Amino acid sequence: QVQLQQSGPGLVKASQTLSLTCAISGDSVSSNGATWNWIRQSPSRGLEWLGRTYYRSKWYSDYAVSVKSRITFNPDTSKNQFSLQLSSVTPEDTAVYYCARGYSGYDDYWGQGTLVTVSS
Amino acid sequence: DIQMTQSLSSLSASVGDRVTITCRASQSISTSLNWYQHKPGKAPKLLIYAASRLQSGVPSRFSGSGSGTDFTLIISNLQPEDFATYYCQQSYSTRTFGQGTKVEIK
Repeated sequence: QVQLQQSGPGLVKASQTLSLTCAISGDSVSSNGATWNWIRQSPSRGLEWLGRTYYRSKWYSDYAVSVKSRITFNPDTSKNQFSLQLSSVTPEDTAVYYCARGYSGYDDYWGQGTLVTVSS
Repeated sequence: DIQMTQSLSSLSASVGDRVTITCRASQSISTSLNWYQHKPGKAPKLLIYAASRLQSGVPSRFSGSGSGTDFTLIISNLQPEDFATYYCQQSYSTRTFGQGTKVEIK
């Protein structure tokens, strides 16, 4: 059974960097069949896919156009986890952030969610 | 980017009703379409993948259909636990979600 455990601060000041980590159990971050996604949810935007990282003989990342200039993913094979960094945050980035495993074209396992509030 | 449009942001229904939720893609995505159920305070739950395939453990009252650009999620015999927000998601090119359709109690 795959489990994803999220961690990170729930409050970030505007203009600073939001950092979250997703620890994986039951699968490997370097699995050749999976992708590791970050998704957020807010009342104004609904669910918004932010991007993914995955390993296919080397590491790849894809990012949503809306955050592409501010977002970075870092897989950590030693800890079997992956992280999200979103820079220059504004109150518009206030949301519940989720990590999720992608497999065969769908996202089947999700983290518990982390509410991140950006204070101005 | 592929845009996903759910025409209804909300609908009202009663227990026992048949509910239809639609989703349209801005270009053909074959059957690369998933449906999720989202309740407040919980992670989204995968219901349907590849347009019509029922995820393991999901009740058979949920069904999906469509291909190309137009897709439908049907909930037959709506149950109290089905009141939630439903999102479509394309996986043809990275991922995009629709805006969501909230199913409310009439």
